Formats: sequence, C-alpha cells, structure tokens
Amino acid sequence: AQSVTQLGSHVSVSEGALVLLRCNYSSSVPPYLFWYVQYPNQGLQLLLKYTTGATLVKGINGFEAEFKKSETSFHLTKPSAHMSDAAEYFCAVSEGGSQGNLIFGKGTKLSVKP
Amino acid sequence: GAVVSQHPSRVICKSGTSVKIECRSLDFQATTMFWYRQFPKQSLMLMATSNEGSKATYEQGVEKDKFLINHASLTLSTLTVTSAHPEDSSFYICSAVVGGYGYTFGSGTRLTVV
Repeated sequence: AQSVTQLGSHVSVSEGALVLLRCNYSSSVPPYLFWYVQYPNQGLQLLLKYTTGATLVKGINGFEAEFKKSETSFHLTKPSAHMSDAAEYFCAVSEGGSQGNLIFGKGTKLSVKP
Repeated sequence: GAVVSQHPSRVICKSGTSVKIECRSLDFQATTMFWYRQFPKQSLMLMATSNEGSKATYEQGVEKDKFLINHASLTLSTLTVTSAHPEDSSFYICSAVVGGYGYTFGSGTRLTVV
C-alpha cells in the first residue's frame, strides 16, 4: 500500500529564502505524486504533479519538485519565498492508477517571516 | 479548468440534526467523487468513494449509515451527515477525477455541531 511521509510539520523561512518541503513516499508500483497547497478554510489547489517523463516538475507560483526514485522522494522547492506562500502544503500519492484516490501526507505548515 | 462547486462552505447545526453537503462538477462529468474529512491541523482522510449510479465504497471505520453518500448523476454527489454530534465537527472536502490524474477539489465545508 502507498504511504506518504512529510518531514517537518512546521517550516519557517525568511522572505526571499529558499523553501524546501520534504516528502518521501512508499509505493509498490510506479508512483504518481502530487503537491497541493491549502489556505485556511479552503480546499486544495494543485501546485504540481509527477506522472511520467521528466523527473523535475515545475508548477505554479515558482514551485518545483524533483522525483528521485532511488531516494523515494519528491521534495518541493522554491528559490525565493514570498509572504503569500505561507500556507499548509500536502504531498500526496495516487493509490491506484489514474482513477484512484489520493493518499495524503500529514502536511507541512510553511511560515514566512518578513 | 474543471471546477467542483461545494456548498455550503460553512454550516452550524444542532446535535441530532442532519446536514447535507453538495458537490457539483460544473463543466465536466464526475464519474467518481472522493469524500475526505480533515480534522484541525491534520491531513485529509478518505471517508468514501462514490461512483455515479452505484453504492459508495466506505473506508474502514466510517459509518455508512451515518455518512450517507448519494451520486445520482454525473454532476452531483452529496454527503449527508445524519444525527450529527459534536465529534462530527470537521472540514469536509470532495474531490473528483478529471481525465488522468487531474484531481480537482471542492472548496470544503466547515461543519460545526453544537
């Protein structure tokens, strides 16, 4: 069965600093991986996803993630944090093909200091 | 892009009453809808999977008689929390699959049972 581990429930960075949110997965089949952002009392917005092909995936708002099979990781990065990036971030893996539900990590709350 | 409209966004109800949450796919047909529950500062946990025209599949530990799911059409899925209790207070989010790996989420419903 698939599972997702997000290291660090809370990450704090200064504005302009590098953002690195860690995600490791467990999957017995080729994984399909996602990063979502959630603002308070709102649904989830897709940042980026990896299905096949290029392992470095670029998403919205300047975020990107790299799929590393050997490390079973899919860490999310952004070169320079903005105040508006403060939110909760969830890593997820698709449980069963293109129609399966998503298994979510516990989330990482990103704080950005001025 | 594909949009799922979820209503209401917030609802407060008295203990013992029932609450219906609707999710509508606005510009696509949602064969499958996933229902998640999110407790404060926690991740999304899958409650059930609904498929148009058939009975929903519930995750272990989720009471099917308490959380009634109906997916009568390709554009509407509903979750009814029956005989709500304070412990049912949570954030409920629906999600539909759009094409391959194109998950789109509703904006969520904050349920408070008093």
